[in-house]
Amino acid sequence: QQPVQSPQAVILREGEDAVINCSSSKALYSVHWYRQKHGEAPVFLMILLKGGEQKGHEKISASFNEKKQQSSLYLTASQLSYSGTYFCGTREYGNKLVFGAGTILRVKS
Amino acid sequence: DAGVIQSPRHEVTEMGQEVTLRCKPISGHDYLFWYRQTMMRGLELLIYFNNNVPIDDSGMPEDRFSAKMPNASFSTLKIQPSEPRDSAVYFCASRETGANTEAFFGQGTRLTVV
Repeated sequence: QQPVQSPQAVILREGEDAVINCSSSKALYSVHWYRQKHGEAPVFLMILLKGGEQKGHEKISASFNEKKQQSSLYLTASQLSYSGTYFCGTREYGNKLVFGAGTILRVKS
Repeated sequence: DAGVIQSPRHEVTEMGQEVTLRCKPISGHDYLFWYRQTMMRGLELLIYFNNNVPIDDSGMPEDRFSAKMPNASFSTLKIQPSEPRDSAVYFCASRETGANTEAFFGQGTRLTVV
């Protein structure tokens, strides 16, 4: 079953912050975040393992609450290059990796 | 390594024709995934393999779809007969065993069935 992402789309001005949420109805082993530019393949951002960890990647960070089966991606001081579609992928206890419908992020100057 | 390689990049075919999409995973990766991307449903997992063996094909939409992995370096996704609603971008991804390993995606095949 695909995880649910929210919001479906968001428009920001450069320098603004955004949060993208991801939730699953199943117990999760890890959460994967990817970004896809138009016409390109999804590109890996980060993996979060169970244990409630938080990771960072430049001004993009994420958290994972395994008890609630939820993850959030935080984009701080957004740049034009952050525009794209963000996907969360959830890995259950096994190796199945399923993705949500995606969140379209557009950063305007 | 050149990454995950998919072919063709674009395919236009007529309804009812057979379509075969191809994927070469990264050498040493023992998991291979096939996804279909549409605007409405995002990235849908169709099937995945571990060490060339299909593990979960519950996402394959119907019997018209089939996938094989005859060896560690090649996989195919076949649609027979194709229908206009199969039009989408199909991605192949691979990763190696491990708790902290990412999946690498190919460039995708854009399929249009007219």
